[in-house]
Amino acid sequence: GAVVSQHPSRVICKSGTSVKIECRSLDFQATTMFWYRQFPKKSLMLMATSNEGSKATYEQGVEKDKFLINHASLTLSTLTVTSAHPEDSSFYICSARRQGANIQYFGAGTRLSVL
Amino acid sequence: TQLLEQSPQFLSIQEGENLTVYCNSSSVFSSLQWYRQEPGEGPVLLVTVVTGGEVKKLKRLTFQFGDARKDSSLHITAAQPGDTGLYLCAGVGNQGGKLIFGQGTELSVKP
Repeated sequence: GAVVSQHPSRVICKSGTSVKIECRSLDFQATTMFWYRQFPKKSLMLMATSNEGSKATYEQGVEKDKFLINHASLTLSTLTVTSAHPEDSSFYICSARRQGANIQYFGAGTRLSVL
Repeated sequence: TQLLEQSPQFLSIQEGENLTVYCNSSSVFSSLQWYRQEPGEGPVLLVTVVTGGEVKKLKRLTFQFGDARKDSSLHITAAQPGDTGLYLCAGVGNQGGKLIFGQGTELSVKP
């Protein structure tokens, strides 16, 4: 099956620091990865689409300088939350779309808590 | 803008009861997916429906895709506490293959 690994699963940081979240497709190549944010008991909100070798496409209202996305290889995308503040605390989930397919496989998510 | 309206958003039932979750849109989707998510975990794909009128079964779960590919439903027969979770429908949009998610249905099955 298609496996997507997301790391770390949980991170607690101080306000003002930056946090990097990794998303890896373990057994397939993913030209496109997606980053979502989810609030408690709510649906997923797409933040950005990450394409290998090019700049990410951000959804309206998402600050690209705040949420830096890098997709340097066909199996790895990273999301860096820069100068994190308590309002950035949330559950962040990545997904990867297999080349040539229209199905997204999701990581297990990262719980970010900013103190 | 493509939207998916999912209902109900909250459902609390007793073990053994049946339930149906609906996902509706005014837009046509090339395919529609159903996910189940547990707290602190990512969504897990249950099924993908592609053909209008398609019906798929996964044990006690029955998924239907509307003839016009604008709506879908998830029916659970004889719900069990292990079915508790957040159920999400998602359609493949017409903008770069982005998934359009419904609002989610928080299901609680009490023993």
